[in-house]
Amino acid sequence: AQTVTQSQPEMSVQEAETVTLSCTYDTSESDYYLFWYKQPPSRQMILVIRQEAYKQQNATENRFSVNFQKAAKSFSLKISDSQLGDAAMYFCAYRSVRSSGSARQLTFGSGTQLTVLP
Amino acid sequence: DTGVSQDPRHKITKRGQNVTFRCDPISEHNRLYWYRQTLGQGPEFLTYFQNEAQLEKSRLLSDRFSAERPKGSFSTLEIQRTEQGDSAMYLCASSPRGWSEQYFGPGTRLTVT
Repeated sequence: AQTVTQSQPEMSVQEAETVTLSCTYDTSESDYYLFWYKQPPSRQMILVIRQEAYKQQNATENRFSVNFQKAAKSFSLKISDSQLGDAAMYFCAYRSVRSSGSARQLTFGSGTQLTVLP
Repeated sequence: DTGVSQDPRHKITKRGQNVTFRCDPISEHNRLYWYRQTLGQGPEFLTYFQNEAQLEKSRLLSDRFSAERPKGSFSTLEIQRTEQGDSAMYLCASSPRGWSEQYFGPGTRLTVT
């Protein structure tokens, strides 16, 4: 079974600065998807960024980018030019590419609460 | 708004009562998922539907839990004889065929007193 670990329960960053959230995972599969989701207080989970394991190039979405280290099974999220609206719980998630039913579920880490300081 | 919707948003019930939650996925998303999220934790998978067929159930889904998706559209999750340990946020997500990412609803927060 796959596991996802987020070792930073809380992080803080000054507005306009850069912060990196860490995530490690364990799997025996060679191909899979990794995601970062954002869950603002009392609001629904929003997809931030996606990475396919077969792609060597790190995914980027505007101010959000990842550092995907497949051999190390590490998948960190970098937020540049942090904004007050970035304050949220961030979850790292794993999904297999296999087509069987159980493979389609997302396996989440325990989350990192990000505070953005004005 | 064409996102995933869930109803009710909050439910308070007494131990031993039955509760039912509803999820309306994004139109034309044939895959639907239920997750449970307890305070300070990431969501945990409960069950998965492809169209109307329930293809996977987690061991977390005890026999007091049942889910349906008639006609492959909305889904319901019922908890019978609720226990205090059932208190959690119940999240629904959907995805279209061939997509890896899932789109989440706002959740139903259940409190069992």
